[in-house]
Amino acid sequence: GQQLNQSPQSMFIQEGEDVSMNCTSSSIFNTWLWYKQDPGEGPVLLIALYKAGELTSNGRLTAQFGITRKDSFLNISASIPSDVGIYFCAGHLGQGGSEKLVFGKGTKLTVNP
Amino acid sequence: ETGVTQSPTHLIKTRGQQVTLRCSSQSGHNTVSWYQQALGQGPQFIFQYYREEENGRGNFPPRFSGLQFPNYSSELNVNALELDDSALYLCAGLNRGRVTNTEAFFGQGTRLTVV
Repeated sequence: GQQLNQSPQSMFIQEGEDVSMNCTSSSIFNTWLWYKQDPGEGPVLLIALYKAGELTSNGRLTAQFGITRKDSFLNISASIPSDVGIYFCAGHLGQGGSEKLVFGKGTKLTVNP
Repeated sequence: ETGVTQSPTHLIKTRGQQVTLRCSSQSGHNTVSWYQQALGQGPQFIFQYYREEENGRGNFPPRFSGLQFPNYSSELNVNALELDDSALYLCAGLNRGRVTNTEAFFGQGTRLTVV
């Protein structure tokens, strides 16, 4: 089935540093989404991307929808301790009316104060 | 606040038993999807309901079934539980039909442990 390759698997950074993570796929997606999940919680939507080449920001977060529609990246600037969590990319194809999302395995972010 | 609430938050069941998980979504979420998230993995799509009918299914056996009700609530039923069914089960609501209809909002999940 469809799979997303998300990297890196984990990151250990110092507070104030910038972070970059990405997601690639062998399949084309029409929408890319980025979620953050805290322990014991459901994923929370951070950014949604709808057009190839689109660059979207949400506060300190910036994400881009790759031109080939097979990849996306997420950047976090000036990281703070509350950025700790697992970040997931998700692709949406929308075929046949299904709103199925395909998720990567996540990037676990640790921020040292 | 995502407007999606799941119950119970935690559940322990014995292999072979049946379980029902519940999800309540805010008005406007006319589509509900269920996902299974094993430890250390991303969520995996189980199925989706729109207008009270299933209209998309992932690679899960028929013992996984669901219902969607007119009041935007939903159920996930799993029969003949297996140890590998232990996971976090997530419900996601979204408003299909809007331009931004792929923005799925997740509940906090139900942690199911099968022993």
